[in-house]
Amino acid sequence: NAGVTQTPKFQVLKTGQSMTLQCAQDMNHNSMYWYRQDPGMGLRLIYYSASEGTTDKGEVPNGYNVSRLNKREFSLRLESAAPSQTSVYFCASRGPRANGFNYGYTFGSGTRLTVV
Amino acid sequence: QQQVKQSPQSLIVQKGGIPIINCAYENTAFDYFPWYQQFPGKGPALLIAIRPDVSEKKEGRFTISFNKSAKQFSLHIMDSQPGDSATYFCAARSGNTPLVFGKGTRLSVIA
Repeated sequence: NAGVTQTPKFQVLKTGQSMTLQCAQDMNHNSMYWYRQDPGMGLRLIYYSASEGTTDKGEVPNGYNVSRLNKREFSLRLESAAPSQTSVYFCASRGPRANGFNYGYTFGSGTRLTVV
Repeated sequence: QQQVKQSPQSLIVQKGGIPIINCAYENTAFDYFPWYQQFPGKGPALLIAIRPDVSEKKEGRFTISFNKSAKQFSLHIMDSQPGDSATYFCAARSGNTPLVFGKGTRLSVIA
């Protein structure tokens, strides 16, 4: 009953370093999403994958790349981290039913990233 | 341009009170309006959702009121409890497009 699993939970990077945030879901969902959450800004979409083999930009894609490795996994890569990318990153997946509702998103517990 | 405007940013109510959180949207193509609840250190979780063909939906102590002509919807929490203290997000979507979220409301219910 894992749902959406994100790793790592915490990370500190130096400016210019790269890293990949991992996300995996075990609900056989087709669609997966990466959001970032900043104080007072809500949740903003970075990239999404409507189905295996497709990815699309969201509202704030600059500085990020994604890979839909297979139906289960959707990773987010920061090639050259900047302090402006300090945030909490959430991965989500969407299936026909989640928590008793149609078309709901299931979110992971987040990755708290600090870029110094 | 913010697609979903949420207010207030923060809200403090006493136990048993009825906090109301409001959201407004412009895109008339939106056809699905969920609310998410987020506790500190956790990801958001779907709380309740409504489609524009109904004006109200209740799930336990949580109610969504929807006004299609005004392009507004709101979340009411009846008999609020300290355990309801969390951040609440409204969201909207048209068809299979990704959800767009409001900026969130931090609710504190004090005993």
